[in-house]
Amino acid sequence: EVQLVESGGGLVQPGGSLRLSCAASGFALSAYWMSWVRQAPGRGLEWVANTNSDGGQKYYSDSLKGRITISRDNAKNSLYLQMNSLRVDDTAVYYCATNAWEVLKVWGQGTLVTVSS
Amino acid sequence: DIVMTQSPDSLAVSLGERATINCKSSQILYSSDNKSRLAWYQQKPGQPPKLLISWASTRESGVPDRFSGSGSATDFTLTISGLQPEDVAVYYCQQHYTIPLTFGGGTKVEIK
Repeated sequence: EVQLVESGGGLVQPGGSLRLSCAASGFALSAYWMSWVRQAPGRGLEWVANTNSDGGQKYYSDSLKGRITISRDNAKNSLYLQMNSLRVDDTAVYYCATNAWEVLKVWGQGTLVTVSS
Repeated sequence: DIVMTQSPDSLAVSLGERATINCKSSQILYSSDNKSRLAWYQQKPGQPPKLLISWASTRESGVPDRFSGSGSATDFTLTISGLQPEDVAVYYCQQHYTIPLTFGGGTKVEIK
C-alpha cells in the first residue's frame, strides 16, 4: 500500500524549532518530487515547500522562507521539514504529499504543530 | 502569486441533485500543451485532502464519475452530478501552473 506517514509535530514555544519527518512506504520516494502543505485550524490549505527527486532543488513559500528547510534522505525513504523561529501563526497540521507536475497526488495524514507559550 | 477564488463558500444540495463549485484564477493557467493546470481536492473532516481531478478535467483513478471538472484559462467548475451522502466535504481548487502553488479558499458542501 502506498503510504506517507508524518511525525515530529507537537507543542513548542514561540521561537522554538521542530523537525518534521515524512516516511514513505509502498513506493520509492526517490522517484518523486515532494511537497509540504499546511492547514491552520479551521482554515484552508497553504503550500509550504517543494523539493525535487534528488533534493538538489528546493522552493519555499515567501511567508516561511528563511525559517524552514526542506530535505530528503532517499536511502531512508524519508522527507523532512526543519522549522525554526516558530511563531504562533505557524500552528497548523503539516502534510507531506507526492508532487507530479505540481499536482499533489498522495497525502499523509498530517502532523499537528502547536506553537504556544 | 496566482490568486484562486472559489464560489460559493458553502452550498447545500439535496441528495441526488447537482452541486456546482466555481473557481477563478487571477492568471491564465494554460501550459505549453494547451492544457489547463487546475486541480480539485476533496477534504472530509479529520482527513487529508484527496486528489479528485487534475489538468482541469482528468479524473483520478477510482474517483466516481459523478465528479467532473470543466473550464479553461481562468474559469473552472467542479460538478457533482447526483450528490451522495459521502460527498459531504470541503472542496478546494489549486493551480498547478507555477510556484508558489496556491489554493482556493474552499467550498463546503452539505446535504439540504
